[in-house]
Amino acid sequence: DTEVTQTPKHLVMGMTNKKSLKCEQHMGHRAMYWYKQKAKKPPELMFVYSYEKLSINESVPSRFSPECPNSSLLNLHLHALQPEDSALYLCASSLLGRGHPGNTIYFGEGSWLTVV
Amino acid sequence: KNEVEQSPQNLTAQEGEFITINCSYSVGISALHWLQQHPGGGIVSLFMLSSGKKKHGRLIATINIQEKHSSLHITASHPRDSAVYICAVWTKSSGDKLTFGTGTRLAVRP
Repeated sequence: DTEVTQTPKHLVMGMTNKKSLKCEQHMGHRAMYWYKQKAKKPPELMFVYSYEKLSINESVPSRFSPECPNSSLLNLHLHALQPEDSALYLCASSLLGRGHPGNTIYFGEGSWLTVV
Repeated sequence: KNEVEQSPQNLTAQEGEFITINCSYSVGISALHWLQQHPGGGIVSLFMLSSGKKKHGRLIATINIQEKHSSLHITASHPRDSAVYICAVWTKSSGDKLTFGTGTRLAVRP
């Protein structure tokens, strides 16, 4: 199993809603990532979890709240988002949380988020 | 100046043509990824390189660590190769972070 599974694939939410994006992998990877991608731009790193602990927060607004309940799951809780937060949210995982030959990164299909 | 530069930004080819996409970086790296992203959104890692050359089917990736340069070659291109190709590097100083190039948008016409 070399998959990173993200749900939902599409989400439309109002600015007062609370919703969550979910990500799951069963490859035994110990590093998991959230990226945000706007149209025609490369992904931007939001958060990194390494061994279930938050290791990097790229100064992301508090309306985005990550959670890593166990080594296979990663959530992104969304609250009071703005229309400019509409984007593709990508989850990824890798065996290690750093560059190393053989440390291939695996991405999910992404969750398309629209904030209205 | 970006730490990772790709060229060209856009590329249109006829089916069957040989394609080369280039990536130059200005920082010390521990490894480099070539990634493929189709319009549907998902990203697939095609190669991870730290030295030399790798081949998978019609795809070949090379890296020259001394020159800080990598290339992705597609032989006998096909319309299904149409996608955005992204070079991303694990920089030695960045720990858990990949640094991405801006991507090359490839369209292969039948």
